[in-house]
Amino acid sequence: EVQLLESGGGLVQPGGSLRLSCAASGFTFSRYAMTWVRQAPGKGLEWVSSISDNGRRTYYVDSVKGRFTISRDNSKNTLYLQMNSLRAEDTAVFFCAKIVGGSAWASDYWGQGTLVTVSS
Amino acid sequence: QSALTQPPSASGSPGQSVTISCTGTSSDVGGYNYVSWYQQRPGKAPKLMIYEVTKRPSGVPDRFFGSKSGNTASLTVSGLQAEDEADYYCSSYAGSNNLVFGGGTKLTVL
Repeated sequence: EVQLLESGGGLVQPGGSLRLSCAASGFTFSRYAMTWVRQAPGKGLEWVSSISDNGRRTYYVDSVKGRFTISRDNSKNTLYLQMNSLRAEDTAVFFCAKIVGGSAWASDYWGQGTLVTVSS
Repeated sequence: QSALTQPPSASGSPGQSVTISCTGTSSDVGGYNYVSWYQQRPGKAPKLMIYEVTKRPSGVPDRFFGSKSGNTASLTVSGLQAEDEADYYCSSYAGSNNLVFGGGTKLTVL
């Protein structure tokens, strides 16, 4: 059974940093691209970042470029999102998701999400 | 990277069919066959219902049907059931390694 478990969310002040983790199990993690998607309270889904299976290619939405860094450790079956210079508008539930094999832009398994609140 | 346009709400009675639209541009929906649809129930993670415009993941009922014409993709749910009540989001590859979502549609089963 595929499982994705996010952690690392919490309350942080504007300008602060946070590192999210996503522990994966139930599939061969190193064979699949992964992605982070966020959802602000009461709002819709927003793609944040994706990373290739081997970690060599990373992609970001414009609003987080230069502030967020996606990475992965295939030896630990774990996906990360390092978030720096956080802003109030980054407040959201962050989901990690597995990308469908062979289709780079659809996610077939999702974690339950971790809440990031940016507030003073 | 503008969001795709979805109607805020849709509704239908049990057994009926309902179609939710997702309008983009030639740079996203119209330019690629990478349109996906997700179902999200309150407080839950999204669930993939359709990918690559028409493909259904294993376990998704064939009552869910995806299609595309020009810059508009559509999700049709036939034989509506109470359990189909949820928010539905479309997404599309938008070129230059970007993905864009629609604003979401709240589907109500009357």
